Amino acid sequence: QKEVEQDPGPLSVPEGAIVSLNCTYSNSAFQYFMWYRQYSRKGPELLMYTYSSGNKEDGRFTAQVDKSSKYISLFIRDSQPSDSATYLCAMSGRIQGAQKLVFGQGTRLTINP
Amino acid sequence: DVKVTQSSRYLVKRTGEKVFLECVQDMDHENMFWYRQDPGLGLRLIYFSYDVKMKEKGDIPEGYSVSREKKERFSLILESASTNQTSMYLCASSWWTGRQYNSPLHFGNGTRLTVT
Repeated sequence: QKEVEQDPGPLSVPEGAIVSLNCTYSNSAFQYFMWYRQYSRKGPELLMYTYSSGNKEDGRFTAQVDKSSKYISLFIRDSQPSDSATYLCAMSGRIQGAQKLVFGQGTRLTINP
Repeated sequence: DVKVTQSSRYLVKRTGEKVFLECVQDMDHENMFWYRQDPGLGLRLIYFSYDVKMKEKGDIPEGYSVSREKKERFSLILESASTNQTSMYLCASSWWTGRQYNSPLHFGNGTRLTVT
């Protein structure tokens, strides 16, 4: 079983829709949770960074962490064509005595005008 | 804004060549990383450095070495390039907060290396 599971998609939705992107993880030692956005031919850029369970909002983006279910989500409201990108979840924690950062495979998202 | 600059966007090299990938960050970050990104495999850590001249192996260090002579610069070296090293290489940097991954990574735009 992979430490972090993320559906690679592709996911295609119409402009204005609410998008939900999700990751599950297996190790409860993960404490920090991140979402990165990666445009084609670019490096990943940090979108959201959270530590605790609950919701964190930044403009049209909301990151949700449910540690009891080992499940994190990124919601995009009023999606725009410029949101078309690959979204990677990432999480870090102390695993077997060492700090570890694990990325999901990324979900490729297309917003259609 | 943090800027992580990778010297080449595209590189084509022949099998057996020695290859240098250079990365420079301008935010005085202690930590620097080299990842490779492959379809279906995601991001995999090659090497990590938390200080000048300090390095730690990541998940896939075989066939690679690194050099960090100055705080802002982190180089990845392929001693003898092979076709299975064809990939996107991403450099990243972050603050040191007492633990390796407590602060988020800032990535460069990547170097797409093709080994023929």
